[in-house]
Amino acid sequence: GDSVTQMEGPVTLSEEAFLTINCTYTATGYPSLFWYVQYPGEGLQLLLKATKADDKGSNKGFEATYRKETTSFHLEKGSVQVSDSAVYFCALKDSGGSNYKLTFGKGTLLTVNP
Amino acid sequence: DAMVIQNPRYQVTQFGKPVTLSCSQTLNHNVMYWYQQKSSQAPKLLFHYYDKDFNNEADTPDNFQSRRPNTSFCFLDIRSPGLGDAAMYLCATSRGPPSLNTEAFFGQGTRLTVV
Repeated sequence: GDSVTQMEGPVTLSEEAFLTINCTYTATGYPSLFWYVQYPGEGLQLLLKATKADDKGSNKGFEATYRKETTSFHLEKGSVQVSDSAVYFCALKDSGGSNYKLTFGKGTLLTVNP
Repeated sequence: DAMVIQNPRYQVTQFGKPVTLSCSQTLNHNVMYWYQQKSSQAPKLLFHYYDKDFNNEADTPDNFQSRRPNTSFCFLDIRSPGLGDAAMYLCATSRGPPSLNTEAFFGQGTRLTVV
């Protein structure tokens, strides 16, 4: 079945540091890939997405590239801010099998200190 | 702004007392989802509607039910809440059919406490 594996957290960085959160996936079809962010006490917000191989999703300084050869969708940001502190979820929606739902990774807690 | 709204944000219920959580949307999406998210875990899909068609996940307990009276509203009913049902409940919508690779839009969630 489909699955998403994210790097274990928590991740603690200083402001302006470089961020990478690794995400790899397995899927039966040709999935679309997403990063969602969850701020404390809130629901999930879509951060960025990519729908086919080699697509790059980007938003608010965050980027992720859909790498089919390595089945990866790593999240990066060149310079994090305190306001980026949140839980980040990698997710996929497959074109085959369970193609009606999002499959989430376990989430990675990011804390950015001033 | 078009959005997904969940009420209430926080709900406290007694053990065994039925409780209903609500979700409304102004996006006119034909797919609505209910997810359960326990502390420090990934959201877990309970069920979804595609228009009026209800689709239950195989491992969703019978204690959880849902109603969708119209496109805009969807309800989650927990018939006899147990302590293990304490969680954040997330409603989401997407433009269907469900197999379309569009993103889901989430509400802010309802945090349920069972006492």
